Amino acid sequence: EAQVTQNPRYLITVTGKKLTVTCSQNMNHEYMSWYRQDPGLGLRQIYYSMNVEVTDKGDVPEGYKVSRKEKRNFPLILESPSPNQTSLYFCASRRGADTQYFGPGTRLTVL
Amino acid sequence: GQQLNQSPQSMFIQEGEDVSMNCTSSSIFNTWLWYKQDPGEGPVLLIALYKAGELTSNGRLTAQFGITRKDSFLNISASIPSDVGIYFCAGREYGGSQGNLIFGKGTKLSVKP
Repeated sequence: EAQVTQNPRYLITVTGKKLTVTCSQNMNHEYMSWYRQDPGLGLRQIYYSMNVEVTDKGDVPEGYKVSRKEKRNFPLILESPSPNQTSLYFCASRRGADTQYFGPGTRLTVL
Repeated sequence: GQQLNQSPQSMFIQEGEDVSMNCTSSSIFNTWLWYKQDPGEGPVLLIALYKAGELTSNGRLTAQFGITRKDSFLNISASIPSDVGIYFCAGREYGGSQGNLIFGKGTKLSVKP
């Protein structure tokens, strides 16, 4: 089954404690992205990657890092999380201009 | 950065009614997408549009790529309870990065029982 998986689905952590949210897709897609979703603000792109070792900033990259060492994986790293990074995070992937598939989401709370 | 204006923000409709929502941008887009998000899940693509004037249907849903290339419309005919959710427009700006997809803030659809 074609899918995008994210882990963990839920995470509560404390300010400053480094964390990684993993994202994996099994569709051999070139493009992968991370979004955060906040009430009243919709989906905002954090980072995207057009292929292995190619990443670029989206609209809200501050406080986040990503890496794309393999085509299927695109982890999101928060080196020093802060409460304003409490949000619902989605990973997505697509091939070229094809439809974009979203993961199930990761709800992060930073205390 | 570029933002999309999506309206209405929310709407209550009677089951069986038709629904319309739209999305506008300040610049030209070369792709318009419409997604639906159910509670607790990720957005799911409903319709993709790639040419100005294009009109595409998916069951009871119909979407159009505006001829100015700065807007798009989604219509739902004969709404049913399972249409409840948040609908997002999204697009790729002409001349923008292929990787950058811009989203509207969503239209929350609720159906009166």
